[in-house]
Amino acid sequence: QKEVEQNSGPLSVPEGAIASLNCTYSDRGSQSFFWYRQYSGKSPELIMFIYSNGDKEDGRFTAQLNKASQYVSLLIRDSQPSDSATYLCAPRGGSASKIIFGSGTRLSIRP
Amino acid sequence: DTAVSQTPKYLVTQMGNDKSIKCEQNLGHDTMYWYKQDSKKFLKIMFSYNNKELIINETVPNRFSPKSPDKAHLNLHINSLELGDSAVYFCASSQQSGGGVAFFGQGTRLTVV
Repeated sequence: QKEVEQNSGPLSVPEGAIASLNCTYSDRGSQSFFWYRQYSGKSPELIMFIYSNGDKEDGRFTAQLNKASQYVSLLIRDSQPSDSATYLCAPRGGSASKIIFGSGTRLSIRP
Repeated sequence: DTAVSQTPKYLVTQMGNDKSIKCEQNLGHDTMYWYKQDSKKFLKIMFSYNNKELIINETVPNRFSPKSPDKAHLNLHINSLELGDSAVYFCASSQQSGGGVAFFGQGTRLTVV
């Protein structure tokens, strides 16, 4: 089993709709969970982090965490063409200095 | 002011050469990392240093040697470069406490010919 699993996509969503990105992880000791966005040819940039079970909202983005199911997701409301990128799920492992990345989900917002 | 900076941004070199990539962070973080992103865009951790001490060393050929002269710098030296080393190498830093969000440098695109 991979440490972090994401659907590679591409996930195509119409502009203005909700994009839903999912991630499962294997390390039950993971304490922090990050979502990064990476545009082609650029470095990953943090868009959300979540530590506690439940939902966390920041603008158009909502992260959801369920530690019992080892599942974390990212919802993007009112999707914009500028949201087209690869989204990387990254749990911070039980060994606090290890941030493991999923293979990423490529999101494409169609006008 | 760039928070995490790497040099060079691009590196083209021949097989068998030795090369170094430098990384510096001005965020006051105590932990630094090297990640490799291959052609399939998978971002894989290579090394992690905390306060100049190596704490993570993933399964990486020993041709790769990281060096951290102080907690603001983490360099990567690669000996006897091979075609398969071609990738984008990212340096990142984080603070151990407070959740540990990692901030990335702009990446170094290494091409071995």
